[in-house]
Amino acid sequence: GAVVSQHPSWVICKSGTSVKIECRSLDFQATTMFWYRQFPKQSLMLMATSNEGSKATYEQGVEKDKFLINHASLTLSTLTVTSAHPEDSSFYICSARAIQATNQPQHFGDGTRLSIL
Amino acid sequence: DAKTTQPTSMDCAEGRAANLPCNHSTISGNEYVYWYRQIHSQGPQYIIHGLKNNETNEMASLIITEDRKSSTLILPHATLRDTAVYYCIVRVAEAAGNKLTFGGGTRVLVKP
Repeated sequence: GAVVSQHPSWVICKSGTSVKIECRSLDFQATTMFWYRQFPKQSLMLMATSNEGSKATYEQGVEKDKFLINHASLTLSTLTVTSAHPEDSSFYICSARAIQATNQPQHFGDGTRLSIL
Repeated sequence: DAKTTQPTSMDCAEGRAANLPCNHSTISGNEYVYWYRQIHSQGPQYIIHGLKNNETNEMASLIITEDRKSSTLILPHATLRDTAVYYCIVRVAEAAGNKLTFGGGTRVLVKP
């Protein structure tokens, strides 16, 4: 079945550093990938839609200069949290769906737990 | 996308069927019903989806009412590993870029 891989699964870093998270579709191509954030005991909140070869579309309230998204190929999207601070600590999850599989489900990665000290 | 309403939580007995309801009274004719679940500290896992006919796969069954205003996800023989938050989502399927919007879901606890 469709597999989405996220890396790293867990990262701890100091305040002020930048952190890059990778999302790969392992056995299918995806023109669109999605990035979500989830705080403890809350539901997933969509941050942005990553479009291969073009700019990402950010949800209202999400700072595009803070959360840089690059979707350089049909199997890879990256999210970079720039100058991370403790309030950016969260569980970040990506998802993707195969090209031309319009009514097929999105598949999710296992998430990246980010802790900023 | 249409909004969904789910109970906040429910308990189920191990080995018994678990019936998870979802109301989506404002669903449009071209919107599908999707079910995902999220086990603690993992990404959401796809379970099943349907448009108007009942669907069954190796994980669950999806029963959609004739007027499509509500549906029920059935886990036929719940196990302890089915403990998770279950999300019912409705969305239009046509465009690959259509996003999923997660509500609060139902927190299901399967008890021995």
